[in-house]
Amino acid sequence: DQQVKQNSPSLSVQEGRISILNCDYTNSMFDYFLWYKKYPAEGPTFLISISSIKDKNEDGRFTVFLNKSAKHLSLHIVPSQPGDSAVYFCAASTSYGKLTFGQGTILTVHP
Amino acid sequence: SQTIHQWPATLVQPVGSPLSLECTVEGTSNPNLYWYRQAAGRGLQLLFYSVGIGQISSEVPQNLSASRPQDRQFILSSKKLLLSDSGFYLCAWQQGAYNEQFFGPGTRLTVL
Repeated sequence: DQQVKQNSPSLSVQEGRISILNCDYTNSMFDYFLWYKKYPAEGPTFLISISSIKDKNEDGRFTVFLNKSAKHLSLHIVPSQPGDSAVYFCAASTSYGKLTFGQGTILTVHP
Repeated sequence: SQTIHQWPATLVQPVGSPLSLECTVEGTSNPNLYWYRQAAGRGLQLLFYSVGIGQISSEVPQNLSASRPQDRQFILSSKKLLLSDSGFYLCAWQQGAYNEQFFGPGTRLTVL
């Protein structure tokens, strides 16, 4: 039972355009959501998070949106840069602190 | 500032051999510690987590075990490796439940 799903295995975007990465979850007990970026053979790097009391959180070029009724969150990257090319994981947790990760989406930003 | 170390970076081991991967955290005290595995082409699977010295919770039944002998040290072990144990192993720390987890550089384990 996959509680956090990233249904798009890959996404290709032109430099300067918007990248939108999507994530769906099924467990209504999740109340904290995170996005991580990962390069091959490295550990994931934390990007941005959002708690369930908010519907939007912004940090520079990165914005995370949360739609609790749809159990859906998304990460927007504007403008996209070639250095953003990586695997992006969404993750969700409850008050116990353990993270449940999606399968990841490979983002490729073309110059 | 906090840092997290993992070693070795890469490891090639024969089937049936033992395993010991070490993770240490600096610059924080009493962190929650986690071991994850990423199999080829797949997401991150939580293997073990620890909220304190000697306290280990296992998430999935498997051939591996974990120990936390000191506050900032987390060890992943196996007595006899299987081919299916190959993967990229990641250690992470977290300060409190409502905070992000920070990951180490990972260990690439290949079992032949």
